[in-house]
Amino acid sequence: GAVVSQHPSRVICKSGTSVKIECRSLDFQATTMFWYRQFPKQSLMLMATSNEGSKATYEQGVEKDKFLINHASLTLSTLTVTSAHPEDSSFYICSARVQTGAPLDNSPLHFGNGTRLTVT
Amino acid sequence: AQSVAQPEDQVNVAEGNPLTVKCTYSVSGNPYLFWYVQYPNRGLQFLLKYITGDNLVKGSYGFEAEFNKSQTSFHLKKPSALVSDSALYFCAVRDPWRAGTASKLTFGTGTRLQVTL
Repeated sequence: GAVVSQHPSRVICKSGTSVKIECRSLDFQATTMFWYRQFPKQSLMLMATSNEGSKATYEQGVEKDKFLINHASLTLSTLTVTSAHPEDSSFYICSARVQTGAPLDNSPLHFGNGTRLTVT
Repeated sequence: AQSVAQPEDQVNVAEGNPLTVKCTYSVSGNPYLFWYVQYPNRGLQFLLKYITGDNLVKGSYGFEAEFNKSQTSFHLKKPSALVSDSALYFCAVRDPWRAGTASKLTFGTGTRLQVTL
């Protein structure tokens, strides 16, 4: 089946530093990847849609300059949390869909295992 | 706008008993509906989906879900629960009439399933 690999699984950083999270589709190509943020005991919040070769599409309320997304290839998207602060501590999950090219694509999302970010 | 409601924060069931995790949705047209499961500190795993056709959908690990258009529900069920089923379950909906593969998947708030011996 389709596998999405996310790295690192856990990272602790100091306030003011930047952290990069990688998301790779291992056995399929993904022109689109999705980045979610999950707060404790809450649902997933879509942060942005990462588009290969073009700019990411950010959801309302998500700071573009703080959460930099780069989708440089068909199998890799990165999320960089810049100038991290303790309130950025969260569980970040990426996902991708195996695109069938069908007009109404109904294939499910495949998720990475998430990255637990702790900013001290 | 599309939305999903999971009215129960937690469902407790004894092993061997049937389980139901509730989900209702709101979408303008005919929905694509999904169930995902999340184990601690992991991403989500796909369980099953409803796109069209038979209202009863069978998925992974013995789970099934029934699409009920009149009640706008998509409850997750399993005839006999296992302790290993204990996890966080998310219902999700997508509006298929949004353009392309970048259409948004909207998740419910999740239901924690606790199966005990």
